[in-house]
Amino acid sequence: AQTVTQSQPEMSVQEAETVTLSCTYDTSESDYYLFWYKQPPSRQMILVIRQEAYKQQNATENRFSVNFQKAAKSFSLKISDSQLGDAAMYFCAYRGAVGAQKLVFGQGTRLTINP
Amino acid sequence: DTGVSQDPRHKITKRGQNVTFRCDPISEHNRLYWYRQTLGQGPEFLTYFQNEAQLEKSRLLSDRFSAERPKGSFSTLEIQRTEQGDSAMYLCASSPSDRGRKAFFGQGTRLTVV
Repeated sequence: AQTVTQSQPEMSVQEAETVTLSCTYDTSESDYYLFWYKQPPSRQMILVIRQEAYKQQNATENRFSVNFQKAAKSFSLKISDSQLGDAAMYFCAYRGAVGAQKLVFGQGTRLTINP
Repeated sequence: DTGVSQDPRHKITKRGQNVTFRCDPISEHNRLYWYRQTLGQGPEFLTYFQNEAQLEKSRLLSDRFSAERPKGSFSTLEIQRTEQGDSAMYLCASSPSDRGRKAFFGQGTRLTVV
């Protein structure tokens, strides 16, 4: 079974600074996807960024980028120029490429932005 | 695209009562998922539908839980004889069946069993 581990329960960063959230995963599959989801206090999950395992290039979405290390099974999220609206729970998630394609989530990291 | 809709948003029920939640996925999405999220934890997979067929169920889904998706449109999740341990946020998500397509989540139904 696949597992996802986020070892940082809480992180904080000064507004406009850069922060990196860590995630490791375990799988025996070779074809899969990795995601970072954001869950603000309103509780709706919002997709931040997606990485396809067969792509070596790290995904980027505006201020958000990932460092995908497939051999190490590591998938960290970097948020540049942090903004107050970035404050939320962040979940790393794994999704296999076949079958149910259900998401397996990590425990989450609560990100606080200090003004 | 009106997004994934869940109803009700909040439900308080007494232990032993039955509750039913509804999820309306994005209309063209044929995959529908239910997850459960307890406070401070990541969501955990409960069950998955491809159109009207329930194709996978988690071991978390005890026999008190049942889910349906008649006609492959909306879905319902029923919990019978609720227990305090059922208190959680129940999240619904939908996606197209194409590989790797992202899942869209609803705002969830928060269940409190007293």
